[in-house]
Amino acid sequence: GQQLNQSPQSMFIQEGEDVSMNCTSSSIFNTWLWYKQDPGEGPVLLIALYKAGELTSNGRLTAQFGITRKDSFLNISASIPSDVGIYFCAGQLVDRDDKIIFGKGTRLHILP
Amino acid sequence: ETGVTQSPTHLIKTRGQQVTLRCSSQSGHNTVSWYQQALGQGPQFIFQYYREEENGRGNFPPRFSGLQFPNYSSELNVNALELDDSALYLCASSLGGAYGDTQYFGPGTRLTVL
Repeated sequence: GQQLNQSPQSMFIQEGEDVSMNCTSSSIFNTWLWYKQDPGEGPVLLIALYKAGELTSNGRLTAQFGITRKDSFLNISASIPSDVGIYFCAGQLVDRDDKIIFGKGTRLHILP
Repeated sequence: ETGVTQSPTHLIKTRGQQVTLRCSSQSGHNTVSWYQQALGQGPQFIFQYYREEENGRGNFPPRFSGLQFPNYSSELNVNALELDDSALYLCASSLGGAYGDTQYFGPGTRLTVL
C-alpha cells in the first residue's frame, strides 16, 4: 500500500530558528496536506496543496507540492513556542473515499 | 475548533469486549471518515461513510464496523477487542459530494484495551 516517509522524526531547535521538514512517497498523490497535532487534540489542517509545483504560504508556514507529485516540504520561519507539536504530512487520493495517507510525523521541540 | 465532536473522551475496556465510539460531524457535512492512531504513529484510515453508506475501507478486519445516521453523525463499533486496538480513534467530517474535500478532525477518543 501507499507509504509516506516523513523526516526528520524529531527536531530540537532554538526559538527564532527556521524549520524544514519533508515527506516522500512511492506513490503519486493528487493532494498534499500538512497537519499539526497538539496533545489531546485531533490533527488540524495547516496547508493544503492541490497542484504539482504549487507553493503555498499560511503566515510563517510555507509548503510546496513536489513536481513529481511524490514529495512535499513544509518550512516554518522564525519559530515560536506555540509551534511545538507533531507535524504530519499526508497525501490524499482524489478518489471514491478520499482517504488520507499520513506520514509518521515530525515532533518539533523548541528550546528556551 | 472544527465543530466535530467525539464521545467518550477516554475509554478503558478489556480484551474480548465490544466498544462503540461516537462522532458528530460539523454542521452541513454529510461525510464522516474514521482513523486509528496508534501511539507514535500517524492516523490510519479505517473507513468512510457518505450519506449513511460505507464509501471506502482501509485495511481493517470486519470486527471494525460503522454506522452513519440520517443526521450524519456516526458510530464506530469494534468487536472482540484486542490489545493492539488500544489507540486514539479520530473521526473527520467533510462536505461530501466532491472528490478531494477537506476533512476536519475531531479531538479523538482514547481507547485502552487491557
